[in-house]
Amino acid sequence: AQRVTQPEKLLSVFKGAPVELKCNYSYSGSPELFWYVQYSRQRLQLLLRHISRESIKGFTADLNKGETSFHLKKPFAQEEDSAMYYCALRDFGNEKLTFGTGTRLTIIP
Amino acid sequence: GAGVSQSPSNKVTEKGKDVELRCDPISGHTALYWYRQSLGQGLEFLIYFQGNSAPDKSGLPSDRFSAERTGGSVSTLTIQRTQQEDSAVYLCASSSSGLTSYEQYFGPGTRLTVT
Repeated sequence: AQRVTQPEKLLSVFKGAPVELKCNYSYSGSPELFWYVQYSRQRLQLLLRHISRESIKGFTADLNKGETSFHLKKPFAQEEDSAMYYCALRDFGNEKLTFGTGTRLTIIP
Repeated sequence: GAGVSQSPSNKVTEKGKDVELRCDPISGHTALYWYRQSLGQGLEFLIYFQGNSAPDKSGLPSDRFSAERTGGSVSTLTIQRTQQEDSAVYLCASSSSGLTSYEQYFGPGTRLTVT
């Protein structure tokens, strides 16, 4: 069965410091990986997906199949990055998303 | 147009009662999903609709849970004989299926509290 692990429930980082939110997955096929974000009092929304290979709001994530990881990174944290971040996996040919338990990121001014 | 909407936003019910949660997807979206967000559990998949049919019901936790979708649009998630462990935020999402990867758009959720 597919599984997504986010080892950090809480992460606090100073403004301007680098951010890395960890995500590991277990899946035997060819997964599609996503990062979703939920800002305070807003609904869950897509941040980025691995196949797009794009940078959104300064965040990037690289799929490492050898380490089965999809860590989210940003070189310089901003206060507006404070939010709940969820890593999610979808296998090709399937529709549902399997989510991790989430990491609450707090940026300290 | 408007995003995914859900009603009610909050629901408090007594143990043993039945509840119905409603989801209005984005117009034209053929795929609809229900997830549950329990404290400390992350988001848990419940059921997926393509049109009015549900090819994947694997996440429904028990036979007390059921869902239907009519007219390829509105969906209702029904929980019968609610239990305290059913307390959670129930999220609905919709997407336009296609051959390429697509995004799931989430609603604001319904917070269910079973007393």
